[in-house]
Amino acid sequence: EVQLVESGGGLVQPGGSLRLSCAASGFTFSSYSMNWVRQAPGKGLEWVSYISSSSSTIYYADSVKGRFTISRDNAKNSLYLQMNSLRDEDTAVYYCARRPFDAPNDYWGQGTLVTVSS
Amino acid sequence: DIQMTQSPSSLSASVGDRVTITCRASQGISNYLAWYQQKPGKVPKLLIYAASTLQSGVPSRFSGSGSGTDFTLTISSLQPEDVATYYCQKYNSATLTFGGGTKVEIK
Repeated sequence: EVQLVESGGGLVQPGGSLRLSCAASGFTFSSYSMNWVRQAPGKGLEWVSYISSSSSTIYYADSVKGRFTISRDNAKNSLYLQMNSLRDEDTAVYYCARRPFDAPNDYWGQGTLVTVSS
Repeated sequence: DIQMTQSPSSLSASVGDRVTITCRASQGISNYLAWYQQKPGKVPKLLIYAASTLQSGVPSRFSGSGSGTDFTLTISSLQPEDVATYYCQKYNSATLTFGGGTKVEIK
């Protein structure tokens, strides 16, 4: 069974940093690209970042470019999102999601809440 | 960047009604269009990919159509368990874009 479990969310002050993790199981993690997607309270879904299976290709949404860094450790079956210079508008539930080749996100984690507030 | 525009933003229909949601891409995306269902407090669930292919386990009352820039999600007979927000998503590149969502309620 495919499982994605996020962790690392919490309350952080504006300008602070946080590192999210996503532990994957039930599939060959190293064969799949991965995404981070977020959802602000009461709002829609927003794609945040993409990383290819080998980490050779990485993309970010303009809203987080220069502040967030996506990475992965295939030996540990884990995906990460380092978030720096956090702003109020980064408050959201952050989901990791599997991205098969030439297909949309098919499996999502349960999400982890990040709250940026003073 | 390609923008995805959904309409309506919300709708209210009776059980058994046929419901249609549209999604328009600002540029052609062939059939690289997915639909997700998100029930309140839950994780988004993939319903349809490649514009019209039903994900395994999704009830047959859901269907999708379209290609290029204009797409449609149809629920042939609305059920109480279909109350949710529906999102379209383009995936013709590594970067993804979601539509703004359509909230479906029972009248």
